[in-house]
Amino acid sequence: AQRVTQPEKLLSVFKGAPVELKCNYSYSGSPELFWYVQYSRQRLQLLLRHISRESIKGFTADLNKGETSFHLKKPFAQEEDSAMYYCALSGLGGTYKYIFGTGTRLKVLA
Amino acid sequence: NAGVTQTPKFQVLKTGQSMTLQCAQDMNHEYMSWYRQDPGMGLRLIHYSVGAGITDQGEVPNGYNVSRSTTEDFPLRLLSAAPSQTSVYFCASTSKGAGNSPLHFGNGTRLTVT
Repeated sequence: AQRVTQPEKLLSVFKGAPVELKCNYSYSGSPELFWYVQYSRQRLQLLLRHISRESIKGFTADLNKGETSFHLKKPFAQEEDSAMYYCALSGLGGTYKYIFGTGTRLKVLA
Repeated sequence: NAGVTQTPKFQVLKTGQSMTLQCAQDMNHEYMSWYRQDPGMGLRLIHYSVGAGITDQGEVPNGYNVSRSTTEDFPLRLLSAAPSQTSVYFCASTSKGAGNSPLHFGNGTRLTVT
C-alpha cells in the first residue's frame, strides 16, 4: 500500500540545536517526495521537493531509495521554524494523487 | 493573484444539515483536490479531480460529493452532516506537466457539526 509515515507527532528542540524530522514512505514506483509546512494561522505551503535538491530556509532533505526515507534536516534550529511539517508523496500511477503523512509539530524552544 | 480561494472560513452545522464548501482557483490548474485535517491523522484525501468533468474518490470519500463542471471550481458537498465530519477542510490545486508540480492550498474551512 502507498503510505507516508512520520513517526514523531511532536519534536521539541532548543534554538541552535540540529533538527531532523523523519519521513518514510511505501511506494512501488518512482515517487516524488515533498515537504510542506504550515506556520501558525497560515496556509500549507511547499517547503521543498526532492527533485530540486535545494536548501530552503536552511532545510535540506535527501531521498534515500534504499531506506525509503526522505528526512528533513536543519543544522541549527531557529524559533521561527516552529510549525507543522508534512511529508507528502505524489506520482501515484500518473493520477496526480498526493498522499500526506500525519505531520510532525516542531517546537523550537528559546 | 488570488490563487486558491475557499469559502466560508468558518461554518457551524447541526447534524443532518447539508452545505457546500466552495473552492476556486485562478491558475488554470487541471488538478484539484479536497483534504480534511484532523489532529493526529494529518491530511487525508477526500476527493480529487484531474480535469473538468472528471472526479475520483480519495481515502475518505464517504459522506461527501464533488463535481467539476469548470476548470476553476471544485465544490465539496456534505449531504447530511455528521459530528464525525467536524474538521478543517483544505482545497488544493496543481498543474499537470512534466513531473508533479507542488500543490497550492487554500486557507481552509473550519467546520463544526453539533
